[in-house]
Amino acid sequence: GAGVSQSPSNKVTEKGKDVELRCDPISGHTALYWYRQSLGQGLEFLIYFQGNSAPDKSGLPSDRFSAERTGGSVSTLTIQRTQQEDSAVYLCASGPGAGSPLHFGNGTRLTVT
Amino acid sequence: DQQVKQNSPSLSVQEGRISILNCDYTNSMFDYFLWYKKYPAEGPTFLISISSIKDKNEDGRFTVFLNKSAKHLSLHIVPSQPGDSAVYFCAASDPLYNTDKLIFGTGTRLQVFP
Repeated sequence: GAGVSQSPSNKVTEKGKDVELRCDPISGHTALYWYRQSLGQGLEFLIYFQGNSAPDKSGLPSDRFSAERTGGSVSTLTIQRTQQEDSAVYLCASGPGAGSPLHFGNGTRLTVT
Repeated sequence: DQQVKQNSPSLSVQEGRISILNCDYTNSMFDYFLWYKKYPAEGPTFLISISSIKDKNEDGRFTVFLNKSAKHLSLHIVPSQPGDSAVYFCAASDPLYNTDKLIFGTGTRLQVFP
């Protein structure tokens, strides 16, 4: 596809369960980001992948959060033992390189009950 | 610590008038600024950007102004149209850290009414 694709678009899970969120970036984009937007909040940086470099994990809120990017393309954000405060829209973005604007997917709305 | 601030959570403007959205930042090392627009249930889309070597950048109805001494930027939309109704996010990047990593503000919801 032409844009960043995220799946699922919506996810409802019970507190304590693990969830996986998927992101397919734009082909050829070397940079991939995960952000999240909680209700009434701005976009909170979570993690950043750039090529083969070690990811910047400085935004991950706890060790329950992890992400990987396989083959420099698809990325999966995993949240273990979900909590209600994890409820948010998780946005993935990709970019072709330094100085270029990021392209966002439509996000995954996660609801933890 | 909010490095990029959008102090107005909402703005309502009549169609045809000018919309002015404001953004303040605290990090003087930021050198690249962007505005993104977000419709409900969609991801943010890039609107316009400005480098710190400029004080103005214009693209059609959209103009971004940068005042480095005041650490302030603004987005002007003129004339405003109902389709401009969305949430607008200001973002900035720090070249010493990572020119792709964007720090976002909390957004301003613009409503343009007929």
